[in-house]
Amino acid sequence: EPEVTQTPSHQVTQMGQEVILRCVPISNHLYFYWYRQILGQKVEFLVSFYNNEISEKSEIFDDQFSVERPDGSNFTLKIRSTKLEDSAMYFCASSYTGLAGSSDTQYFGPGTRLTVL
Amino acid sequence: GENVEQHPSTLSVQEGDSAVIKCTYSDSASNYFPWYKQELGKRPQLIIDIRSNVGEKKDQRIAVTLNKTAKHFSLHITETQPEDSAVYFCAASSYNNNDMRFGAGTRLTVKP
Repeated sequence: EPEVTQTPSHQVTQMGQEVILRCVPISNHLYFYWYRQILGQKVEFLVSFYNNEISEKSEIFDDQFSVERPDGSNFTLKIRSTKLEDSAMYFCASSYTGLAGSSDTQYFGPGTRLTVL
Repeated sequence: GENVEQHPSTLSVQEGDSAVIKCTYSDSASNYFPWYKQELGKRPQLIIDIRSNVGEKKDQRIAVTLNKTAKHFSLHITETQPEDSAVYFCAASSYNNNDMRFGAGTRLTVKP
């Protein structure tokens, strides 16, 4: 069964540095998402992406964050000038349709654990 | 925006007993309500979902009920097994946006 994949599994960075988290969504999916989960807390929506543009974003997704689909398979989350409070698990997800369709189940990747020192 | 409340935060049951987790939501436009199971250090995995055109959905030992008037939905697990132990998250979103909001999670422990 196809799965969403993410790299790296764990990223350690110094405060103030930029990181890029990578995701490969399921190949025929059209909608892509990033979520964040601080240790022991709930999953928080960051952004959704469709047709090469942001569809929705949350209050967390400020100018520090950006997303890109640089090619036909990858979907990336860039975090500029990382802060200590950016330390979290970042999950990518994809769905075949957006929530207007019947095939809107979101499948999550295994996550990237980001540690900012 | 949507706000999802989930209760209880922890739930401990004996193997074979039933477990019920409840969620409320604030946005009357929400019409898609998935439930995810997350084991320690793993990704959230969809276990069941319900859309606003139905009031109840079952899949073997798992069922979800939805009350749109009251804006709440519940997860029911019957004949619980130790492998059901995990954190369960409810979520809500609408056809109008791709912004899915999660509840705070319920840590379910099933004691053998």
